[in-house]
Amino acid sequence: GQQLNQSPQSMFIQEGEDVSMNCTSSSIFNTWLWYKQDPGEGPVLLIALYKAGELTSNGRLTAQFGITRKDSFLNISASIPSDVGIYFCAGQPTQGGSEKLVFGKGMKLTVNP
Amino acid sequence: GAGVSQTPSNKVTEKGKYVELRCDPISGHTALYWYRQSLGQGPEFLIYFQGTGAADDSGLPNDRFFAVRPEGSVSTLKIQRTERGDSAVYLCASSFIQGPLYFGPGTRLLVL
Repeated sequence: GQQLNQSPQSMFIQEGEDVSMNCTSSSIFNTWLWYKQDPGEGPVLLIALYKAGELTSNGRLTAQFGITRKDSFLNISASIPSDVGIYFCAGQPTQGGSEKLVFGKGMKLTVNP
Repeated sequence: GAGVSQTPSNKVTEKGKYVELRCDPISGHTALYWYRQSLGQGPEFLIYFQGTGAADDSGLPNDRFFAVRPEGSVSTLKIQRTERGDSAVYLCASSFIQGPLYFGPGTRLLVL
């Protein structure tokens, strides 16, 4: 089945630092999504990417949909304590939504104030 | 609130019992999804509804798991003869057609 490899698995950074994480797939996806999950909560959508090569920003977050359609990355600039949480990449195998998402295993981010 | 809601937030049951988990999607969203998340893992797909019908139930682990969405809005995930391995967070999500998924807070199920 389709699998996503997400790296790194965890990061410990100082407040103010930038952080990058990426996700690769063994197969092509037509949509990439990035979610953040806080303890005891469901995943919250951060950024959605729909076109190969697309670069999208949402405040301090920037994400790109790889040209090969098999990878995506997420950057967080100038981290703050509330960035702490688990970040998941997710891919959809068909155009747009309404199809099942395949998730990575997540990247746990710790920000030291 | 306007988000996806799930009840109960926590459920503790004994092995062999039957449980029902409820999901209220965002108003107007035609698609509804159930996912299961084990500790330290990403969510895993269980079933997807488009309207009242299950468009893809390929993620249901076995026939003890069943889900319904009789009126195309609220959905119930039903687990019969629960086993300890069923313990997980059960997440519901909804979306418009061709839109991103929005998740609820989940139901934490513990089978003793």
